[in-house]
Amino acid sequence: DAKTTQPNSMESNEEEPVHLPCNHSTISGTDYIHWYRQLPSQGPEYVIHGLTSNVNNRMASLAIAEDRKSSTLILHRATLRDAAVYYCILTATYGNKLVFGAGTILRVKS
Amino acid sequence: DTAVSQTPKYLVTQMGNDKSIKCEQNLGHDTMYWYKQDSKKFLKIMFSYNNKELIINETVPNRFSPKSPDKAHLNLHINSLELGDSAVYFCASSHRGFDTEAFFGQGTRLTVV
Repeated sequence: DAKTTQPNSMESNEEEPVHLPCNHSTISGTDYIHWYRQLPSQGPEYVIHGLTSNVNNRMASLAIAEDRKSSTLILHRATLRDAAVYYCILTATYGNKLVFGAGTILRVKS
Repeated sequence: DTAVSQTPKYLVTQMGNDKSIKCEQNLGHDTMYWYKQDSKKFLKIMFSYNNKELIINETVPNRFSPKSPDKAHLNLHINSLELGDSAVYFCASSHRGFDTEAFFGQGTRLTVV
């Protein structure tokens, strides 16, 4: 089964860009790459998703490697409110369900 | 308007009791889920319903019984509660498909004493 690998934690300074990497070397052709985040004491929150092309929305950008074996979530200007656990998830491999890994704990310093 | 709402937010109960957690979504989604987040913070899917039919049951003990009276509701009933059931339970909903986003409730923190 395709799965994702993310760093355990990352740290960023406020107002600076953050690049959160995700490796998914066994991704299948039908897997969408989704990113969710979980702020302290809250439920997971959708951030962004894509299939092959880079994607932008109001929260973040998603850069997908040409071979789709890795992707990067980009927060353009980190704020203290972006401190959360970020999960990179493939959505076709496991059927119609989100399989959460350990994610990346993002700490933002003021 | 809250998209996915769960009640109660906190639940403290004794071992052996039976309790229910309710979930409602007002997004018109056809698929609903229950997830469990334990003390180590791992989120694990428990159940998934599509149009009131069970489609995913992830080796959850029989003491857990989801019930979906309609597409907008998915309740979780737990019998004979055990200490190990203490966790945060999240309800979620989405349209069925690999390219759709899921919306999660705020969670129900269940503490079994």
